[in-house]
Amino acid sequence: AQKVTQAQTEISVVEKEDVTLDCVYETRDTTYYLFWYKQPPSGELVFLIRRNSFDEQNEISGRYSWNFQKSTSSFNFTITASQVVDSAVYFCALSGGVSGGYQKVTFGTGTKLQVIP
Amino acid sequence: GAGVSQSPSNKVTEKGKDVELRCDPISGHTALYWYRQSLGQGLEFLIYFQGNSAPDKSGLPSDRFSAERTGGSVSTLTIQRTQQEDSAVYLCASSFNSGGAGTQYFGPGTRLLVL
Repeated sequence: AQKVTQAQTEISVVEKEDVTLDCVYETRDTTYYLFWYKQPPSGELVFLIRRNSFDEQNEISGRYSWNFQKSTSSFNFTITASQVVDSAVYFCALSGGVSGGYQKVTFGTGTKLQVIP
Repeated sequence: GAGVSQSPSNKVTEKGKDVELRCDPISGHTALYWYRQSLGQGLEFLIYFQGNSAPDKSGLPSDRFSAERTGGSVSTLTIQRTQQEDSAVYLCASSFNSGGAGTQYFGPGTRLLVL
């Protein structure tokens, strides 16, 4: 069975602060994919990143960075110098290759981030 | 090109009525997914289509829920005899399968309210 845990339900930060959103996953698959999605107040889920289990390199995209650590089954997401536009619910997700099937994606319950001006 | 579109964007219905929700995936995407998101909750997987077939229907909550996909494109999610607990946002996503996990791209959702 697959599971994604986002322990932080809600986080509030002041604009320009850095913030890290935690994601811990469980899977028995040796090949799997991890995702982050953003859901702004408008409601539409926006794809941010996909990472496969063989690539543990950290990734940076502008103010966003992701830290994938297989040893701790974590795929954390950091926003540097947060902005009000970053206010949204962020979902971490997992797609497995064997037990879950590649195409079934298990989502975490989301972390609501509020950036206060 | 155009993203995933869903219609209607909002639907208000009375308990006991049937509703149909439509999803138009990104052109060329072979896989299509339906999810349900209740207020303030995460995403609940409902059903997945590969082409016109549905290899995974495990998430459909009851036999009142059904879905079909025709021509490898548009999909319809039907809820019969709606109940108040069916009120939620129904999200559709599509992906292009390339041997790995295709990234799912989501539509704006249909907000269903059952009175």
